[in-house]
Amino acid sequence: KNEVEQSPQNLTAQEGEFITINCSYSVGISALHWLQQHPGGGIVSLFMLSSGKKKHGRLIATINIQEKHSSLHITASHPRDSAVYICAATTGNQFYFGTGTSLTVIP
Amino acid sequence: DTAVSQTPKYLVTQMGNDKSIKCEQNLGHDTMYWYKQDSKKFLKIMFSYNNKELIINETVPNRFSPKSPDKAHLNLHINSLELGDSAVYFCASSQGPGSEQYFGPGTRLTVT
Repeated sequence: KNEVEQSPQNLTAQEGEFITINCSYSVGISALHWLQQHPGGGIVSLFMLSSGKKKHGRLIATINIQEKHSSLHITASHPRDSAVYICAATTGNQFYFGTGTSLTVIP
Repeated sequence: DTAVSQTPKYLVTQMGNDKSIKCEQNLGHDTMYWYKQDSKKFLKIMFSYNNKELIINETVPNRFSPKSPDKAHLNLHINSLELGDSAVYFCASSQGPGSEQYFGPGTRLTVT
């Protein structure tokens, strides 16, 4: 069993929809990262959080330490949000990656 | 200016050869990483250096050897390349271990 589980694996949404991607982890962590990998292959760090909630534009990330769960929300989704979203938990010196959620937003 | 750069972007080579991938960051970060992304797109950390000191060394074949000549560079040398080494290799850097990371564009290695 993977230390980090993401759901769903694949997600198709209509433009404008509210999207939620979930990440559960089984290890004690110092931080939780959300990464975005574009269709062209480039990887961008979206958020790093250890508690509470962070917001950047239309993206919101939350984490519940007690439940060992994090969510990434995208409001008013747009086709340019189409990408693979990867959750990664770190204990400082160790990284555990989810298998990614492939998101396709249809115009 | 590119924050994290990797060279080459593409590398095609034959089995048994030795090759290197270079990584440089101009962000003044202390920590650098090497990741491997296989054909199933699963990202896996290979190595991490902090202030030129190895802090993460995952279970990878000892044919893979990282070299950090200074804090701004972390190169990856691969000996006796095998077909299974074909993947995209990403370099990244962060201010410290576990901090937000900045990724390079990736190097697509194809072993024939």
